[in-house]
Amino acid sequence: GAGVSQSPSNKVTEKGKDVELRCDPISGHTALYWYRQSLGQGLEFLIYFQGNSAPDKSGLPSDRFSAERTGGSVSTLTIQRTQQEDSAVYLCASSFTLTYVELFFGEGSRLTVL
Amino acid sequence: SQQGEEDPQALSIQEGENATMNCSYKTSINNLQWYRQNSGRGLVHLILIRSNEREKHSGRLRVTLDTSKKSSSLLITASRAADTASYFCATDDYGQNFVFGPGTRLSVLP
Repeated sequence: GAGVSQSPSNKVTEKGKDVELRCDPISGHTALYWYRQSLGQGLEFLIYFQGNSAPDKSGLPSDRFSAERTGGSVSTLTIQRTQQEDSAVYLCASSFTLTYVELFFGEGSRLTVL
Repeated sequence: SQQGEEDPQALSIQEGENATMNCSYKTSINNLQWYRQNSGRGLVHLILIRSNEREKHSGRLRVTLDTSKKSSSLLITASRAADTASYFCATDDYGQNFVFGPGTRLSVLP
């Protein structure tokens, strides 16, 4: 596709369930970022990938959060045993390189934990 | 870690007026970017200014950067109702992640 694609766009789940959020970056973009945005708030950095590796995992809120990227393309953010405080919009962005360039964002995945 | 902080948190102006938003950060940066987010949507890149640049223009947008004060400003001239959105500054710390501020919510009233 022409832009960053995220799925699902909306996810409602029950507390304690696991969820997977997917991000398909722009073809050729080596850097991929995950951010979390709570209602009316700014963006909280979660993790970034350069290729398949994630040099910095310090932004992940807890060990219930994990992310992987395979083949230098699609990334999956997994939240295990979801809690109500995990409710937010999860935004994915990609860029051609790590710096000096703009980020291209997807439309986000809105997660609601009941 | 460094963080951009936008000011004001919210701004309401009449169509045709200019809107100015400010961003402050804490440590040295490689570049600073401004993004726009319409309600319920992803962020869209507006403009990037490098640390060795002081001013940049793009259409009705004017961005300034003062590295001595660790601050940047975004000016939108002749605002339109369609400019209503949240505006974020983002800084990068030399090859690591981009850090976004909490944003300024701009309302342009017709």
